[in-house]
Amino acid sequence: GAVVSQHPSWVICKSGTSVKIECRSLDFQATTMFWYRQFPKQSLMLMATSNEGSKATYEQGVEKDKFLINHASLTLSTLTVTSAHPEDSSFYICSARDGLGETQYFGPGTRLLVL
Amino acid sequence: RKEVEQDPGPFNVPEGATVAFNCTYSNSASQSFFWYRQDCRKEPKLLMSVYSSGNEDGRFTAQLNRASQYISLLIRDSKLSDSATYLCVGDSGSARQLTFGSGTQLTVLP
Repeated sequence: GAVVSQHPSWVICKSGTSVKIECRSLDFQATTMFWYRQFPKQSLMLMATSNEGSKATYEQGVEKDKFLINHASLTLSTLTVTSAHPEDSSFYICSARDGLGETQYFGPGTRLLVL
Repeated sequence: RKEVEQDPGPFNVPEGATVAFNCTYSNSASQSFFWYRQDCRKEPKLLMSVYSSGNEDGRFTAQLNRASQYISLLIRDSKLSDSATYLCVGDSGSARQLTFGSGTQLTVLP
């Protein structure tokens, strides 16, 4: 099956710093990528949908100025958590979908811990 | 009301047991449904798609009832390796986004 990678797999940072997470589709072109967040014992919550070459569409309640998404190429999307705070600590997962299929392929996730 | 609702469990069953998970959805525009499996501290992985006609993949059977907006997953002859959280997932209709249920935790005991 299609492979999606995320980097880094985990990060620990101080409050106030910015953290960039990369999501790459390794063997297909992802016209659409999705960013999710999952808190412990909760389900995945969609944060935003990003289409290559256009601005991301954010879900209600997700601050676009805090969670910057860039989808500059068909194989790479980045999520930057700006001025991270402890409440941003979570499991961030991306997924990618090619232009034709319905299946979303998930990356392995990035665990963020903000101290 | 959540768009996709599941019984959170946990379900603790002995090896070899048959276990069924249920899920309801509220968005009548949803077209596609899936069951994903998520292991602890890992990303979700697609288990199977769900069709109105019902579909089977080995020990797993999924069923969709559009009239009742109800989805089910049946696991027969459960194995220790089936222990995971099972996520019921529906799309959002035209937007083709996925909406995840909160998951049902299964533990298969030796």
